[in-house]
Amino acid sequence: EPEVTQTPSHQVTQMGQEVILRCVPISNHLYFYWYRQILGQKVEFLVSFYNNEISEKSEIFDDQFSVERPDGSNFTLKIRSTKLEDSAMYFCASSEVQVYNSPLHFGNGTRLTVT
Amino acid sequence: AQSVAQPEDQVNVAEGNPLTVKCTYSVSGNPYLFWYVQYPNRGLQFLLKYITGDNLVKGSYGFEAEFNKSQTSFHLKKPSALVSDSALYFCAVRDVGTYKYIFGTGTRLKVLA
Repeated sequence: EPEVTQTPSHQVTQMGQEVILRCVPISNHLYFYWYRQILGQKVEFLVSFYNNEISEKSEIFDDQFSVERPDGSNFTLKIRSTKLEDSAMYFCASSEVQVYNSPLHFGNGTRLTVT
Repeated sequence: AQSVAQPEDQVNVAEGNPLTVKCTYSVSGNPYLFWYVQYPNRGLQFLLKYITGDNLVKGSYGFEAEFNKSQTSFHLKKPSALVSDSALYFCAVRDVGTYKYIFGTGTRLKVLA
């Protein structure tokens, strides 16, 4: 079964450094998302992306965050200057079509640790 | 805005017993509801969804969920729990008019042998 793949699985960075989290969505999917999960509990929406532009973003997704689909397969999340509170598990997700019954397919996540 | 609530942080059940993981929702308009499961160090996996139609929805791994409009609930159920069902379960709602899915706070299910 096709999967969403994320790299790296674990990223450690120092406060103030830039990080790029990478995702390869399922090949025929058109809608892409980033979510994050803090302390293994609450799953928070960051951003959705369609047709090479942001569809919606949350209040968490401030100017330090950006997303990009640099080629036909990758979908990246960049944090420009990381803060301690950015430490979390970041999940990429995709869906095939944007109808209300279309479930999200998640990758296994990147654990970001900011020291 | 749409929202879902999971009132229990943790549910313990003995193997072989029926399990219920609770979810209530608050939506304007028709609700589009989902259940996901998360195993340790993994992403969320889709279990089942309710859009319209039958109030009892069947999903993966023997799980089902009962939609109750009068109680605004969408509880996840399984007739006979397995130890391997131990995981974190999330209820979610599709935010109508947006591309966003909103997740509950999660319920940790522990099935005891």
